[in-house]
Amino acid sequence: DGGITQSPKYLFRKEGQNVTLSCEQNLNHDAMYWYRQDPGQGLRLIYYSQIVNDFQKGDIAEGYSVSREKKESFPLTVTSAQKNPTAFYLCASSGQGGNEQFFGPGTRLTVL
Amino acid sequence: KNEVEQSPQNLTAQEGEFITINCSYSVGISALHWLQQHPGGGIVSLFMLSSGKKKHGRLIATINIQEKHSSLHITASHPRDSAVYICACATNKLIFGTGTLLAVQP
Repeated sequence: DGGITQSPKYLFRKEGQNVTLSCEQNLNHDAMYWYRQDPGQGLRLIYYSQIVNDFQKGDIAEGYSVSREKKESFPLTVTSAQKNPTAFYLCASSGQGGNEQFFGPGTRLTVL
Repeated sequence: KNEVEQSPQNLTAQEGEFITINCSYSVGISALHWLQQHPGGGIVSLFMLSSGKKKHGRLIATINIQEKHSSLHITASHPRDSAVYICACATNKLIFGTGTLLAVQP
């Protein structure tokens, strides 16, 4: 089945540790996105990549890093510099035109 | 003021009721999306529209470009429709509303 997978679904980390969230898609989409969702707020764009080996900062990139070494993979690292890392993280991808995005199931990160 | 505003924020309905969720936006858009997010967190795209009206089963989405307003209607609502409904405007990126939490009671 084609789709987007994110793992793990729940992740717990101690304050000060870096953590990497996985996102894989087999839709052959060029563009991939990372969003953060907090209670009472709309999804906010962290980073996006329109093509392999290229990525751009979104609205709230501080404290995060990404890589795009393969078309199907777009991992997000939440670094210790991120002040409030506890949130729900959603990955998405889109094909030609980029208008319609397909979302993964999300990873809920809790930093203790 | 947010660029994408949804109303209401919370909505409780009885099974069978007709439901309307509204989305107003202040930016120029190429398309507007309606998304559904279930309690587990995954998001499903319901509609993408740039004009007029679309229908899928019991769901209807309309958009008025001149008034910068869109509505999502659910006919004959059912408890399984309980979810968060999110409006997102496509500019050079997606701008999301904060969502409408819908609870349909049996």
